[in-house]
Amino acid sequence: ELKVEQNPLFLSMQEGKNYTIYCNYSTTSDRLYWYRQDPGKSLESLFVLLSNGAVKQEGRLMASLDTKARLSTLHITAAVHDLSATYFCAVDSTNRDDKIIFGKGTRLHILP
Amino acid sequence: GAVVSQHPSWVICKSGTSVKIECRSLDFQATTMFWYRQFPKQSLMLMATSNEGSKATYEQGVEKDKFLINHASLTLSTLTVTSAHPEDSSFYICSAPRRAQYFGPGTRLTVT
Repeated sequence: ELKVEQNPLFLSMQEGKNYTIYCNYSTTSDRLYWYRQDPGKSLESLFVLLSNGAVKQEGRLMASLDTKARLSTLHITAAVHDLSATYFCAVDSTNRDDKIIFGKGTRLHILP
Repeated sequence: GAVVSQHPSWVICKSGTSVKIECRSLDFQATTMFWYRQFPKQSLMLMATSNEGSKATYEQGVEKDKFLINHASLTLSTLTVTSAHPEDSSFYICSAPRRAQYFGPGTRLTVT
């Protein structure tokens, strides 16, 4: 059974600091996703990572993928309050059924 | 990019009544759609897969007679919560795959 683990599950940090969220998954998967969710809202797609060594950046967020280690990271550079949200990683199911498997999410709280 | 809509965005109903939530893919056809439920501060829980032209497939533990799913066309799936109870109050999100997973904006259901 494919499992996705994120850590930390909760992170409180100061503005201006850097931090990394980790996402491990248990078996090989085709794609890895990062989503952002604001309170009361649905998911916003941030990144889709397809291949080993893939790195994508958008503003202060950078995501990377190591398929050999089955590990993805979401790095936050010089955090700002607007980045406070819950971040989910997810991977394609291994059953070719279009399902995706979510991690539990990381609640990020950035203190002004 | 692909767009998925949901209606209504929020609904309040009384215990014992039924409520229908619609999920539409606006600019693409979706033979498969997914329904999720999310409780506060938790991850998304997949409830069922909606299949155009055939019965929905439900995840373990989800009551198929309580959560009726109908994939009426290639752009529309509906979720009907029957005989609603307060514990059914939750955030319901649908998604449709098209190379990536596209999520609707969610429906907040409150059962009083």
